[in-house]
Amino acid sequence: GQSLEQPSEVTAVEGAIVQINCTYQTSGFYGLSWYQQHDGGAPTFLSYNALDGLEETGRFSSFLSRSDSYGYLLLQELQMKDSASYFCAVRDPSRGRALTFGSGTRLQVQP
Amino acid sequence: NAGVTQTPKFQVLKTGQSMTLQCAQDMNHNSMYWYRQDPGMGLRLIYYSASEGTTDKGEVPNGYNVSRLNKREFSLRLESAAPSQTSVYFCASTSEGQGGSYEQYFGPGTRLTVT
Repeated sequence: GQSLEQPSEVTAVEGAIVQINCTYQTSGFYGLSWYQQHDGGAPTFLSYNALDGLEETGRFSSFLSRSDSYGYLLLQELQMKDSASYFCAVRDPSRGRALTFGSGTRLQVQP
Repeated sequence: NAGVTQTPKFQVLKTGQSMTLQCAQDMNHNSMYWYRQDPGMGLRLIYYSASEGTTDKGEVPNGYNVSRLNKREFSLRLESAAPSQTSVYFCASTSEGQGGSYEQYFGPGTRLTVT
């Protein structure tokens, strides 16, 4: 089966850097994805790591270590609009391209 | 492009009533999904369709049925609603991104309350 663990809540101040960790267990690994969801909204895709290392997209970066079954999302220069829930997800190889999601990390950015 | 659309946005049902949630995508994606999200939790897969004409059960299929009407449309039916089905329902479709990212595009969600 698939399972992912991430912290339930993180608080940081505007302008700071925050890291959201994710550990996973999966029967077959096809990469780690990250999604952002604002309250009342739909999840939106942020990033994807198939290989070890850091992927950078603007203020957001995502890291993967396949040997440790671990990844993180790094958010820099935090803005109030970054307050949202962040989900890590892995593909479920027994269900086509469906994803199994972690329970989410709620990020609260304070002024 | 509208992306993924869902109707209705909100619905209140009484226990035992039935309803169908509609979903359509205009991105020519083969794969479509139905997820439910309960408060403070991640999304759980109800059913998915890897291509037109095929449907398969996900993690939590009990109490639901689906129809892949054509490549664009994938509907979810609750035959006899129960309070445990109170949730937010998201439809999604998948692209095959570069390097196999399979980015999922989500609809705006249907907020369902069963009393």
